[in-house]
Amino acid sequence: DAGVIQSPRHEVTEMGQEVTLRCKPISGHNSLFWYRQTMMRGLELLIYFNNNVPIDDSGMPEDRFSAKMPNASFSTLKIQPSEPRDSAVYFCASSLFGDGYTFGSGTRLTVV
Amino acid sequence: GENVEQHPSTLSVQEGDSAVIKCTYSDSASNYFPWYKQELGKGPQLIIDIRSNVGEKKDQRIAVTLNKTAKHFSLHITETQPEDSAVYFCAASTGAAGNKLTFGGGTRVLVKP
Repeated sequence: DAGVIQSPRHEVTEMGQEVTLRCKPISGHNSLFWYRQTMMRGLELLIYFNNNVPIDDSGMPEDRFSAKMPNASFSTLKIQPSEPRDSAVYFCASSLFGDGYTFGSGTRLTVV
Repeated sequence: GENVEQHPSTLSVQEGDSAVIKCTYSDSASNYFPWYKQELGKGPQLIIDIRSNVGEKKDQRIAVTLNKTAKHFSLHITETQPEDSAVYFCAASTGAAGNKLTFGGGTRVLVKP
């Protein structure tokens, strides 16, 4: 298996623009997690899905953030409009039955 | 909710020495405790995990111990090598299907040759 695949690896955008991050989980995994990593706040869970259904989105910072999982093999995290404070590395992870997460390589987002 | 504290935040050791990282958790219902290693520019990678029905687990040079009564667990790396230099994260969860991991703040380990 190729592991968890995230795209793009790097994204530079201007403040106010829409940003979409993409994730393909490991085939057969039933849970998917979106994390944000910054120096100040460490690893923060934004939202997670179980069997494609959002279970807990309490970590989503604002209404500007939204996430979808239309099927078992694809998820998106969208920020609209983006702001400089959204600059971070965003990780997607998947797991089977909630343990042993496999993380993707992350998307480094820079909002200027 | 669960809260995981991790210490120290940075750790510098001489090659060949041992490194120990300690974590405490708050939710007594937590029963799954993984450790992740994150190298520069990469995502965290699972290196070892332990469940609450086990007190200790070892895999080559790394070992994890768990004290459920005190609600703390530790990672031990023996005979450290330069390639062990990375950021290490502990985490805890109740282990139920789809349940989330709560991560500690991370420990930056530097192994000096």
